[in-house]
Amino acid sequence: GAGVSQSPSNKVTEKGKDVELRCDPISGHTALYWYRQRLGQGLEFLIYFQGNSAPDKSGLPSDRFSAERTGESVSTLTIQRTQQEDSAVYLCASSLKAVYNEQFFGPGTRLTVL
Amino acid sequence: AQTVTQSQPEMSVQEAETVTLSCTYDTSENNYYLFWYKQPPSRQMILVIRQEAYKQQNATENRFSVNFQKAAKSFSLKISDSQLGDTAMYFCAFMKRAGAQKLVFGQGTRLTINP
Repeated sequence: GAGVSQSPSNKVTEKGKDVELRCDPISGHTALYWYRQRLGQGLEFLIYFQGNSAPDKSGLPSDRFSAERTGESVSTLTIQRTQQEDSAVYLCASSLKAVYNEQFFGPGTRLTVL
Repeated sequence: AQTVTQSQPEMSVQEAETVTLSCTYDTSENNYYLFWYKQPPSRQMILVIRQEAYKQQNATENRFSVNFQKAAKSFSLKISDSQLGDTAMYFCAFMKRAGAQKLVFGQGTRLTINP
């Protein structure tokens, strides 16, 4: 079946604009994760959704960042009033359930804030 | 909080050689998982191998094996008979067994296999 997909692949925006990044998880995967990867760095956890439970937002770096997920499907990561330090690759992953299952990653969205 | 450290920013070996990538981690947890992920230029993160902390036996997947030393909090990856397609960034990652299943990543090692 299809893997995790993300859109857009690349996004260039101006400082101060809002952006929305989309993630389509693998069908049937109840857990969904967002990570940020700055240039030359490892991935940093941002937020985690598991079914209908309250999301774990402990990794969001500021209140400019928010994310939503509709049921067990699509998720959107929104960054308001973008700053240059928000430039990074944003990766989404999904897994079958919360108690250990392999996380399958999407190809990421490269965000560049000018 | 957990931390993962990869002390080798870059490594380079000849094709067919064996290479070992280092990883250490810090945690107060007793039950957890450790992973090695590969990230080629396509950006796609690919799981290479995983280890469950309660298992003493080192995990092996074909040419990839780990040396897991729980007391030393060390988790190295050995790639045998390296191939050109192994060229990529390699990330070591930690996950607690309980609670939110978020991965904590190291900074990565850029591995180049030369022909």
